Amino acid sequence: QVQLVESGGGVVQPGRSLRLSCAASGFTFSNYPMHWVRQAPGKGLDWVAFISYDGIDKYYADSVKGRFTISRDNSKNTLYLQMNGLRAEDTAVYYCARERGRYMDVWGKGTTVTVSS
Amino acid sequence: QSVLTQPPSVSGAPGQRVTISCTGSSSNIGAGYDVHWYQQLPGTAPKLLIYNNSNRPSGVPDRFSGSKSGTSASLAITGLQAEDEADYYCQSYDSSLSGYVFGTGTKVTVL
Repeated sequence: QVQLVESGGGVVQPGRSLRLSCAASGFTFSNYPMHWVRQAPGKGLDWVAFISYDGIDKYYADSVKGRFTISRDNSKNTLYLQMNGLRAEDTAVYYCARERGRYMDVWGKGTTVTVSS
Repeated sequence: QSVLTQPPSVSGAPGQRVTISCTGSSSNIGAGYDVHWYQQLPGTAPKLLIYNNSNRPSGVPDRFSGSKSGTSASLAITGLQAEDEADYYCQSYDSSLSGYVFGTGTKVTVL
């Protein structure tokens, strides 16, 4: 079945880095654009980044531009989010999601990132 | 960066109809970008509920319907059921931000 599984979350100190992964299965990963979306504790959904199916086009929310990098390895069916210079306000559950026509039709269960000293 | 505004909460008795509004601007909904809706049950990931303003994915009950007009969109739930108690988010694209935007979210409570 179509599935996305995030990993790589954890507790990290402010200013440090973390890389999230999202393993895709059950569909042809290389055909689909992908997103990262996050949700801070008790808050709403917050779009983070987008990558085209071939990895060429990338877009970011202003809040993470210059600090986060989205990438993908289509040979490994895996999406990544490299997060540098982490701040307390980056604390959230991070979801990867598949795009279909500017909406997200498949979501992973999320991985939790906590930025704290 | 929530540029789409939703009411924080709506409630209704079982069997009733409730609606959730999603108000945007001329750079997102008003610019012609489609609106999509997600349901997030407590402790779970979001799930696509409505896409392209009014289309339901396979498996979504026809009790859920969506519409769009001008700079706003609405989600209606008819025949409200206990399992509909969840958070609901609208989503669109914003040309001035060059990015995707979510609504502020609405908690639906079944009385």
